[in-house]
Amino acid sequence: DTAVSQTPKYLVTQMGNDKSIKCEQNLGHDTMYWYKQDSKKFLKIMFSYNNKELIINETVPNRFSPKSPDKAHLNLHINSLELGDSAVYFCASSPRGAGNTIYFGEGSWLTVV
Amino acid sequence: DAKTTQPPSMDCAEGRAANLPCNHSTISGNEYVYWYRQIHSQGPQYIIHGLKNNETNEMASLIITEDRKSSTLILPHATLRDTAVYYCIVSSTGANSKLTFGKGITLSVRP
Repeated sequence: DTAVSQTPKYLVTQMGNDKSIKCEQNLGHDTMYWYKQDSKKFLKIMFSYNNKELIINETVPNRFSPKSPDKAHLNLHINSLELGDSAVYFCASSPRGAGNTIYFGEGSWLTVV
Repeated sequence: DAKTTQPPSMDCAEGRAANLPCNHSTISGNEYVYWYRQIHSQGPQYIIHGLKNNETNEMASLIITEDRKSSTLILPHATLRDTAVYYCIVSSTGANSKLTFGKGITLSVRP
């Protein structure tokens, strides 16, 4: 009954590969997000979607492409992985009208070698 | 969004109240104060938020000064499981608003 679930939890891959991280929320929320936490532990927003529509797109390389097939899913696809992409990626969601009351998943640890 | 300033770390004894301070002297009238925490190797967890009145829920209390330039998160009876990084964030609530996480304060609860 996990509220915001991400898969995979751990991913080790080689430079240049393409990989995806999937996210699903069963809370009925309208807004979903992707955050990145780097090795220095800074947590930064990458994207937010509201009911499948892109709302926030921070300065993220276009190798990163979010896809929202429906409002319960927001997947993150990364092309041509680089060493600097190694980080923990958190998916999150929030209900309509809740401002910034956001519920985070447990994170996906991506290591690029 | 306004920036916040938090001490890098603090500790408290288990069972005692933990009072976590935050300065946000440039906060705007429509900006809320949010608190999140991140326990090691877990995703951030929402704790509480407020605009100008003090707020309390099952996790904590939030005390906001009258001029709104600072606030204190109070964990009334800290447990070892409260050891985490606590983030104080100021943000509006519009459609394009976002949470900007700083370094936070590392709270260590000692037995």
